[in-house]
Amino acid sequence: NAGVTQTPKFQVLKTGQSMTLQCAQDMNHEYMSWYRQDPGMGLRLIHYSVGAGITDQGEVPNGYNVSRSTTEDFPLRLLSAAPSQTSVYFCASATGVGNTIYFGEGSWLTVV
Amino acid sequence: SQQGEEDPQALSIQEGENATMNCSYKTSINNLQWYRQNSGRGLVHLILIRSNEREKHSGRLRVTLDTSKKSSSLLITASRAADTASYFCATDAGDKIIFGKGTRLHILP
Repeated sequence: NAGVTQTPKFQVLKTGQSMTLQCAQDMNHEYMSWYRQDPGMGLRLIHYSVGAGITDQGEVPNGYNVSRSTTEDFPLRLLSAAPSQTSVYFCASATGVGNTIYFGEGSWLTVV
Repeated sequence: SQQGEEDPQALSIQEGENATMNCSYKTSINNLQWYRQNSGRGLVHLILIRSNEREKHSGRLRVTLDTSKKSSSLLITASRAADTASYFCATDAGDKIIFGKGTRLHILP
């Protein structure tokens, strides 16, 4: 059972570089989301999607873009990386808002 | 500001004791969920309680929900070393799911 798959697991970027964190789920979930986790801050919602073609901003959307062209995929794009974006990123999915959330294993991103 | 806030931020107890952590939230909810995160891993779902439920049990876990006080508690009975982890509550704020900052639980041998 693949569940929620995130790639890459580890990445080091230079300030100003761009990259995409990939997220795919094979559970036909409508709801997908991206969180970042920093020490002492818990999980903060970056962007979320309630279905293909629909995305919306979460608590900390600045510096990130998302798209949802298919039900399965929800990539997160960093357009111009900044050291403040050094964090652990989690992709998650659910059948709907308020239902059990399934998480990927996380992507560790360091911006130098 | 975050929808859910856990209390305490950190908790250390002896193995075999019970651990209680609390979650307060700000707006009306449909469901409240508790998750566990072991160090360096993704979050794992523990239990979901709906707004029309007051208490729910799952093994050694007991969750209560008081919608009038906008609060929930998670009780872990007869704690074990494997319960050492961070615990988060999650609430649905409109069409998005918001997490609190978590409680770090450490079980002492």
